[in-house]
Amino acid sequence: EPEVTQTPSHQVTQMGQEVILRCVPISNHLYFYWYRQILGQKVEFLVSFYNNEISEKSEIFDDQFSVERPDGSNFTLKIRSTKLEDSAMYFCASRQSGATYEQYFGPGTRLTVT
Amino acid sequence: SQKIEQNSEALNIQEGKTATLTCNYTNYSPAYLQWYRQDPGRGPVFLLLIRENEKEKRKERLKVTFDTTLKQSLFHITASQPADSATYLCALDPPGTYKYIFGTGTRLKVLA
Repeated sequence: EPEVTQTPSHQVTQMGQEVILRCVPISNHLYFYWYRQILGQKVEFLVSFYNNEISEKSEIFDDQFSVERPDGSNFTLKIRSTKLEDSAMYFCASRQSGATYEQYFGPGTRLTVT
Repeated sequence: SQKIEQNSEALNIQEGKTATLTCNYTNYSPAYLQWYRQDPGRGPVFLLLIRENEKEKRKERLKVTFDTTLKQSLFHITASQPADSATYLCALDPPGTYKYIFGTGTRLKVLA
């Protein structure tokens, strides 16, 4: 069964460093999302992406964040200058089309900023 | 802004009983509402979607209802098993947006 994959599974970085989180969505999916979940808290929407552009972004998704689909398979989230409060699980999700709404989530990347 | 509340943070039930979880939302009624399961340290897994014109949806031991008047969805697991222990999340996309918002989840524990 097709699945969303994410790498790395765990990333430790120092405050102020840049990180890139990578995702490979399901191949025939067209809509892509990033979410974060701080330990013990709810899943929070960061950004949605369709047709090679951002559809919507949340207040969390400030100028330090960017997304890219550099080729036909990868979908990346970059944080330019990490802060302690960026420590969280980051989930990538994808869905197939405008008529199907169920999202398929990846296993997540645990980001720890020290 | 649209909000979702899952008003039970945790729910313990005996194996074999029916678990009922509640999801309430504010403001505009969405065209559909989704339920997901999340195990510790894992990504959410889609379970069921119910549309605004559907009163009830079933899948095996799962049942979801949607009451747009009450602005509420109920999620039932019948004949619950210890393997059903997980956090259950409801989610919706506010009308006119391209995002999904999730509730805080209800942590269900089924006791053997």
